Amino acid sequence: NAGVMQNPRHLVRRRGQEARLRCSPMKGHSHVYWYRQLPEEGLKFMVYLQKENIIDESGMPKERFSAEFPKEGPSILRIQQVVRGDSAAYFCASSPPTTGVTGELFFGEGSRLTVL
Amino acid sequence: AQKVTQAQTEISVVEKEDVTLDCVYETRDTTYYLFWYKQPPSGELVFLIRRNSFDEQNEISGRYSWNFQKSTSSFNFTITASQVVDSAVYFCALSEGLTGGGNKLTFGTGTQLKVEL
Repeated sequence: NAGVMQNPRHLVRRRGQEARLRCSPMKGHSHVYWYRQLPEEGLKFMVYLQKENIIDESGMPKERFSAEFPKEGPSILRIQQVVRGDSAAYFCASSPPTTGVTGELFFGEGSRLTVL
Repeated sequence: AQKVTQAQTEISVVEKEDVTLDCVYETRDTTYYLFWYKQPPSGELVFLIRRNSFDEQNEISGRYSWNFQKSTSSFNFTITASQVVDSAVYFCALSEGLTGGGNKLTFGTGTQLKVEL
């Protein structure tokens, strides 16, 4: 069973460009989560999605950030008009549909965004 | 709101020393889970342990052990006879159930452990 796959692992963008990060959950997992880790900090929850639905986006910045998890294909975290403060590691996690509060999240290896 | 505090920002030990990483949490939930993750220099997150709020038994796995004290809202992690390969950032986390059946982890800020020869 392949784990959670994230790509690209490293992405460099100039200020004002767009960044797209992709996440393929583990087989059989229908819940996807995105977390952001700023330098020297812990991971912060951004958004929780199920297929074609955003369930909780309480951690998403109000502007420039969006996420989707289409019926087919990977989940996408999109950052428009990137700024230097967006430089961070973005982790995707997935879980099976019956996880509940048990917290069985399986993390990908992260995508590291650098904004020049 | 959920909160996880890891007061130790950085710890340095000499190989073979024992080291304890502290974790204190806050939650109003009666059912919750606590976790420890390791983040080596390569950057990935490695799951170490999950413990539910109803199980206060201490757990030991090789050189690792965990002490869950509900009375003090603490979930401390001890590495016995530390090794250089233990050098990493260690995160404590607390789960919270979400609408839709998912869950959210609240992470502490991490403790950087450096084990030197």
